[in-house]
Order: sequence, then structure tokens, then C-alpha cells
Amino acid sequence: GQNIDQPTEMTATEGAIVQINCTYQTSGFNGLFWYQQHAGEAPTFLSYNVLDGLEEKGRFSSFLSRSKGYSYLLLKELQMKDSASYLCAVVDSNYQLIWGAGTKLIIKP
Amino acid sequence: SQTIHQWPATLVQPVGSPLSLECTVEGTSNPNLYWYRQAAGRGLQLLFYSVGIGQISSEVPQNLSASRPQDRQFILSSKKLLLSDSGFYLCAWRTAGYGTQYFGPGTRLTVL
Repeated sequence: GQNIDQPTEMTATEGAIVQINCTYQTSGFNGLFWYQQHAGEAPTFLSYNVLDGLEEKGRFSSFLSRSKGYSYLLLKELQMKDSASYLCAVVDSNYQLIWGAGTKLIIKP
Repeated sequence: SQTIHQWPATLVQPVGSPLSLECTVEGTSNPNLYWYRQAAGRGLQLLFYSVGIGQISSEVPQNLSASRPQDRQFILSSKKLLLSDSGFYLCAWRTAGYGTQYFGPGTRLTVL
């Protein structure tokens, strides 16, 4: 079967750094997406990794290790507006997206 | 640029009533189209996807159906709604076979 695992909920402090992990077991791999979803809104695209390594985009970075079936999203200099759910999705061998259940990130002042 | 529209934004329907949600995409041709449902506090559940006009794949058995009458139009329907159909319905598009998936604003459906 196909499986994406993320922590259900994480709490962090404003101004700090947080790392959200995602592990996957899928039939094939053609890339991994991270999305942000604020409460009551649609998910929005954050990052895409298909090769091993770190991709940096402003305060957000995403890392991928294909051999370990592992990715993380790193958020720096946390702001209150970063309070949201973060969804990990893997593109499988049929080019379909397999979604994790999401990690709810709570930022405290 | 590409835009995806969904309507209505919110809907309250009685049990047993019919449903029709519409999604249209602008600025792209032959997209893959998707319908998802998200229950409160839960992840995304893929309901249907379509790779072309009249081509619908169903991921979960349910009392919902989907149709794609035009290249950039995707419709989600039900003849009789159940309480369990309540949720946040999201339409999404993606360039065929690859690329980032983009979501519409969603429809929040409450079945009473």
C-alpha cells in the first residue's frame, strides 16, 4: 500500500525555527510537494523536490532524501501568519498525488 | 495566467436533496481535473479525477458522481445527499501527467 506519515500537530514560538517531517512509502516516486493550508482556505503550493537535497525559498526550505523516503519542511523566523496546516504529497509511478493527512502548526507569541 | 473558479462558496442542504458543484479553469488546455473532500480537521480525500472530456475515474465508492462536459469544466453531483457528505469540497487542476496541482477556493457543504 501507499503511505505518507506526518505528525498531527506541532507547536512553536514566534521567531523560532520548526521542522516538519514527512516519511513516505509509495509505488514509485516522481517528486514531493509541500502545501500550506490556512483554516477554512484551500491549500497553496509551497515547494517541490524531485532530487535529493535542500531547496531554499525565503524563510521556507524543503529537504528530500529519496533513499530514506524522507522529506522535511523547515520554517525559519516564524511569524503568527505561519499558523496553518502543512500537507506533504508524493507523486507516485502513475503521476498521481498521494497526500499525507497534514501537520497542524500552532505558533505561540 | 491560469485561474480556477468554484461555486458556490458555501451551501447548506437538507438530507436527501440533490447537489451540483461546478468548477471551471481558465488559461490552460487539457488539464487534469480533480475533486477532493476534506472533513473538518482531516486530510484530503480524492473523490474523482479526469484526464479528458467524458473521462472520469472514481477513487472512493459513494453516492457522488462527477462529469466533465467540457475541457475546462468539472461538475460534482449527487442525487440524494447524506449527512456524511458534509465537508469542504475542493476542485484542483494540474498539467496533464506532471506539474504542480492548483486548488480552487473550495465549497463548504453542510448537510442537515
